Amino acid sequence: DVKVTQSSRYLVKRTGEKVFLECVQDMDHENMFWYRQDPGLGLRLIYFSYDVKMKEKGDIPEGYSVSREKKERFSLILESASTNQTSMYLCASSLGTLPGQPQHFGDGTRLSIL
Amino acid sequence: DQQVKQNSPSLSVQEGRISILNCDYTNSMFDYFLWYKKYPAEGPTFLISISSIKDKNEDGRFTVFLNKSAKHLSLHIVPSQPGDSAVYFCAAMPDRGSTLGRLYFGRGTQLTVWP
Repeated sequence: DVKVTQSSRYLVKRTGEKVFLECVQDMDHENMFWYRQDPGLGLRLIYFSYDVKMKEKGDIPEGYSVSREKKERFSLILESASTNQTSMYLCASSLGTLPGQPQHFGDGTRLSIL
Repeated sequence: DQQVKQNSPSLSVQEGRISILNCDYTNSMFDYFLWYKKYPAEGPTFLISISSIKDKNEDGRFTVFLNKSAKHLSLHIVPSQPGDSAVYFCAAMPDRGSTLGRLYFGRGTQLTVWP
């Protein structure tokens, strides 16, 4: 089974802090994704990556950056946390060599910015 | 602009009956459609998918129907069980260009199955 592990289930940070959310997958997947989930808004894509050191913006990249130095690890960075970034953050990965491959998700990090 | 729409935020069904969750999309470039189930405090779990070359795919109690001309798909759960109570997300994937692998999600439908 695919395992996507997010480093923290719950995180509390203060406004203005730099926040790192880590995600690791163990299936050698090419593609990795970061989403945030908010009530009534579904899953919104922040950033994604097709390969090491490669990244592309999703629908809501403002205030975020990402890093992918190794194939299995994809980090989401909040450069200067703000209260409107309080949310559930979900990481996902998928095989990038065939069409139609499903994404596999981690259990999420619930981030609160005070 | 929402390219995948789930117009019903919630659905309540009695145990043993059929649950029908609906999804509409606007982008004709979508080639694959997926359904995910999400319990609270967990990540979404892949449930079933369908390619645009098919109109039906079945996996146990779950069947997805695709009507390409109407840009509409539905997920049928028969019979519904209390454990099916979760948020269901519809998602679509194009198979062309640089967006390969990216999913476009609807906002989800909360299904409640009562005994």
